[in-house]
Amino acid sequence: DAGVTQSPTHLIKTRGQQVTLRCSPKSGHDTVSWYQQALGQGPQFIFQYYEEEERQRGNFPDRFSGHQFPNYSSELNVNALLLGDSALYLCASSLGGVGNGKLFFGSGTQLSVL
Amino acid sequence: GESVGLHLPTLSVQEGDNSIINCAYSNSASDYFIWYKQESGKGPQFIIDIRSNMDKRQGQRVTVLLNKTVKHLSLQIAATQPGDSAVYFCAETLDFGNEKLTFGTGTRLTIIP
Repeated sequence: DAGVTQSPTHLIKTRGQQVTLRCSPKSGHDTVSWYQQALGQGPQFIFQYYEEEERQRGNFPDRFSGHQFPNYSSELNVNALLLGDSALYLCASSLGGVGNGKLFFGSGTQLSVL
Repeated sequence: GESVGLHLPTLSVQEGDNSIINCAYSNSASDYFIWYKQESGKGPQFIIDIRSNMDKRQGQRVTVLLNKTVKHLSLQIAATQPGDSAVYFCAETLDFGNEKLTFGTGTRLTIIP
C-alpha cells in the first residue's frame, strides 16, 4: 500500500521562475492538503483540495495555486518565485468524507530559490 | 492569526527515561489537538490526538495531556528509545475533522544512549 508520494524530491529555481510540485495521495484517500515548512519552523497550511476544488485556503498569496485531478493527485504551482519561497513543501492526504484530521504526509519537495 | 507555540526548542533525555514535551496554544476556540513526530528527511507522522472535551489520552508509550484552563498541551513519552529522536510538533484546529492545522515551531528531542 503506497503512502503519499511527492515529486520531485529536490528542486532548484531562480527568482521570478515558476514551479510545479506533484503529489499522489495514499491509496484510498481523496483529499490533498499542501503545507509549506520553512527551515526550523512548523508546517504552514497553504490550501486543501477535495473533489477537484479548493476547499480551504491559508494565508498565502495568489502566486500559490493548485489543482486536483480526477485520480485525486494534486499539483502545487508557485509563480514569480521569491527567495522566501525556499522551503520544504509537504503534501498530506486524508479521506475527506471521514474528516478525522488524521493527515498522512509525504516526505516533501525541498525547493531552493536562488 | 493565532498560532501554537512551544516552551522549549530542544530537549535531551537519557535512553530509558521519560520525556515531556510542552506546548502552549493561544486559541481557546480550538477543538482538536494533534502531536506529530518528524524525523530527518521525512514528513510529519501522526502520534496521538485529543479533543477539547478530554484532558488525557494514552497510546502506546505516549500520553497527551490537555489543560484548557491555561491552554497547555503536553506529550509524555515513556521509556524513551533512540528511535524517539526527532522533532515533535503540536498542532491545533478549530474543529475535529478540519484538516487546516496550525503547527507550532517544534521541539527537537535527542535521546542520549
